[in-house]
Amino acid sequence: KNEVEQSPQNLTAQEGEFITINCSYSVGISALHWLQQHPGGGIVSLFMLSSGKKKHGRLIATINIQEKHSSLHITASHPRDSAVYICAVRRGVDYGGSQGNLIFGKGTKLSVKP
Amino acid sequence: ETGVTQSPTHLIKTRGQQVTLRCSSQSGHNTVSWYQQALGQGPQFIFQYYREEENGRGNFPPRFSGLQFPNYSSELNVNALELDDSALYLCASTLAGWVNTEAFFGQGTRLTVV
Repeated sequence: KNEVEQSPQNLTAQEGEFITINCSYSVGISALHWLQQHPGGGIVSLFMLSSGKKKHGRLIATINIQEKHSSLHITASHPRDSAVYICAVRRGVDYGGSQGNLIFGKGTKLSVKP
Repeated sequence: ETGVTQSPTHLIKTRGQQVTLRCSSQSGHNTVSWYQQALGQGPQFIFQYYREEENGRGNFPPRFSGLQFPNYSSELNVNALELDDSALYLCASTLAGWVNTEAFFGQGTRLTVV
């Protein structure tokens, strides 16, 4: 079982719909990142969370540390939101190895139709 | 757009050859991590460099090696290329090896081994 699981793997929505992407993890973490990857390959950091909730424009990210779960919401989705959304976690201080690296989920491919 | 640049953007090599990929980090960032992303998968951690020393490594063989220079730019070297090395190689820079700071990603180098 992967340490970071995302759902759904693929998501198709109509423009204007409210979208939720989920991320569950099984390790202790110090932070969770939501990232966006476009077909060209480059990755853009959307949020870094260690607790609570963050909002940026139409994007909202929440995290529940006790339940080891995070969600990324997109309100009023638009075709330009079409991309792969990736959840990644950074190990917590109780991890004896390198804490610097991120552990990635496989990503959720979002397609928003006009 | 981040200050992290990778070169080259695309590369085709023959099995058995050697390749060097380059990454310049975000200004002020002293840590660079390298990731391999196979098609349809999330990125996998290769290794991380902090102040010119490797300070973490994923499950990759020794033919994957790296360097970090005094200006914090970095190289990833892969010897004896195999067909399975074909992937998108991403580098990410952060301010320190373990402090929770944003990670900035480059656009990636797409390596094809034939």
